[in-house]
Amino acid sequence: SYVLTQPPSVSVAPGQTATISCGRNNFGSKKVNWYQQKAGQAPVLLVHDDSDRPSGIPDRFSGSKSGNTATLTINRVEVGDEADYYCQLWDSISDHVVFGGGTKLTVL
Amino acid sequence: QVQLVESGGGVVQPGRSLRLSCVASGFTFNNYGFHWVRQAPGKGLEWVALISYDGDNHYYADSVKGRFTISRDDSKSTLYLQMNSLRREDTAMYYCATDDYYGSGIITNWGQGTLVTVSS
Repeated sequence: SYVLTQPPSVSVAPGQTATISCGRNNFGSKKVNWYQQKAGQAPVLLVHDDSDRPSGIPDRFSGSKSGNTATLTINRVEVGDEADYYCQLWDSISDHVVFGGGTKLTVL
Repeated sequence: QVQLVESGGGVVQPGRSLRLSCVASGFTFNNYGFHWVRQAPGKGLEWVALISYDGDNHYYADSVKGRFTISRDDSKSTLYLQMNSLRREDTAMYYCATDDYYGSGIITNWGQGTLVTVSS
């Protein structure tokens, strides 16, 4: 089955840049989406189709993909960005949605 | 604004059934597909099922296939998840969510979830 690999945790100081990776052997044409989930809340769509942001999402959040890795970058990290972040895609071969295991971002 | 409100969760014994509902408002219900996504306590997100905008196509995670059924009633703007033969490992918060467009897998709007606990 399709697996997306994320680091369990990332730590960063306020004002710095956080990068969260999402790995897979050959994404092919599959597009990656990213979600933010703060404690006790439902997830929120942050980035879709590798690098597009929905309206209302600050431009501090950006997505990219190269080779076997998709990356979520958070510039000028704020304390309020502390959350779990998930990558996700639609696997058209299996007709399944696949989530990565999630990355807990800690703002020191 | 888009609103998704889940209900129907609770405590249920292993092997029993439960039906979750999700009432939608603020958008044209029959233009969209819907997902159910769950999250076990302290764990990550797990996709459960997807129904297409027209109700013709249904997709399920391997862990629930044959036990869970996703359906919709466009006249009531309501999404359902019928859960049979429940197992302890089905214990989770269950979220309903909108699918951006067919084949995208982009989950755009989420409800606040309803908690299902499978326990004897």
